[in-house]
Amino acid sequence: GQQLNQSPQSMFIQEGEDVSMNCTSSSIFNTWLWYKQDPGEGPVLLIALYKAGELTSNGRLTAQFGITRKDSFLNISASIPSDVGIYFCAGSSSNTGKLIFGQGTTLQVKP
Amino acid sequence: KAGVTQTPRYLIKTRGQQVTLSCSPISGHRSVSWYQQTPGQGLQFLFEYFSETQRNKGNFPGRFSGRQFSNSRSEMNVSTLELGDSALYLCASRTGVIVETQYFGPGTRLLVL
Repeated sequence: GQQLNQSPQSMFIQEGEDVSMNCTSSSIFNTWLWYKQDPGEGPVLLIALYKAGELTSNGRLTAQFGITRKDSFLNISASIPSDVGIYFCAGSSSNTGKLIFGQGTTLQVKP
Repeated sequence: KAGVTQTPRYLIKTRGQQVTLSCSPISGHRSVSWYQQTPGQGLQFLFEYFSETQRNKGNFPGRFSGRQFSNSRSEMNVSTLELGDSALYLCASRTGVIVETQYFGPGTRLLVL
């Protein structure tokens, strides 16, 4: 079945540093999504990407939909303590409610 | 607009029991999807309902079932609970008409003893 490989698995960085994480797939996706999840809560949508090559920003966050449609990355600039959490990529290959999720990247920020 | 709501937020059951979880989607959203999240398996898709019909299904046993009502609210049922069913159950809603993003609820944390 479809799988998403997300890396790195975890990151421990200093406040103010930039962060980069990515996802690769064995299959083509039509939509890439990036979510952040805080403990005990559901994932919150950060950025949605709908077209190959699309580059989208949301404040300090920037994400890109890879040209091959099999990968995506998320950058966080000038990290702050509230960026702590688990970041998930997710892909969808058709107009269904089924999202395939990456394993998540746990981000810790040291003040 | 109110977000996706799920009830109850926490639940403790024993093996062999059954459980029903509820999800109220964002107003105007006709699609509700359910996911199971565990530390070992991550987020896995259970099923999607759209206009009271199951539109897509993941690879879970028949003990996991769901339904959707005419007001788009959805329920998920797990029968004959097993220890491995302990998880965070998330529902997500979207309009379901075009390819667009899903919005997740806070989840129901189920513990099976």
